[in-house]
Amino acid sequence: QQQVKQSPQSLIVQKGGISIINCAYENTAFDYFPWYQQFPGKGPALLIAIRPDVSEKKEGRFTISFNKSAKQFSLHIMDSQPGDSATYFCAASRGGGYQKVTFGIGTKLQVIP
Amino acid sequence: NAGVMQNPRHLVRRRGQEARLRCSPMKGHSHVYWYRQLPEEGLKFMVYLQKENIIDESGMPKERFSAEFPKEGPSILRIQQVVRGDSAAYFCASSPTTAPSQETQYFGPGTRLLVL
Repeated sequence: QQQVKQSPQSLIVQKGGISIINCAYENTAFDYFPWYQQFPGKGPALLIAIRPDVSEKKEGRFTISFNKSAKQFSLHIMDSQPGDSATYFCAASRGGGYQKVTFGIGTKLQVIP
Repeated sequence: NAGVMQNPRHLVRRRGQEARLRCSPMKGHSHVYWYRQLPEEGLKFMVYLQKENIIDESGMPKERFSAEFPKEGPSILRIQQVVRGDSAAYFCASSPTTAPSQETQYFGPGTRLLVL
């Protein structure tokens, strides 16, 4: 059972454009939604995260939009740069002592000059 | 402050051999998580450990796989009698002891296991 559905699986964006990655979840017990960035040969690194009590969170060029009623959240990368080319994973977890993170399938982003 | 360390980075085993993957969490972290990433897939939770305790192993196959996090030394993920389907990248993550910072998991670079 795929608890976090992510799309698209691959994305090509021109430099300076906006990259948008969408995720949907099923488990209403999830209360923490991080995004991870992974470069080839490296481990995932936390990029930005949001809790369901806010609808948007922005850090630099990265913005998470969260729609609790629709159980959807998305990552927007403004002014996309070639250095942003990586695989992005949305994820979800629930509190209660520790975080067993459920990952989406990943989106391979390529930003072309 | 060194990050999460994993070794070896690459491991080649023949079918039937044993694979031992090691993870040293970040300094001050006492929570360790293991994930498996199959080619072109997301990461799947395997097991969560604290020092000397397995807290949740619900994502780990019942046979051939085991994990430990001793009082001293790194966490070990052990795969006995490996099969080709075990070929994957295995990532370890650690998190601090106290909430809410528990929610941030820091990942190591992974061990890429290839079973011939």
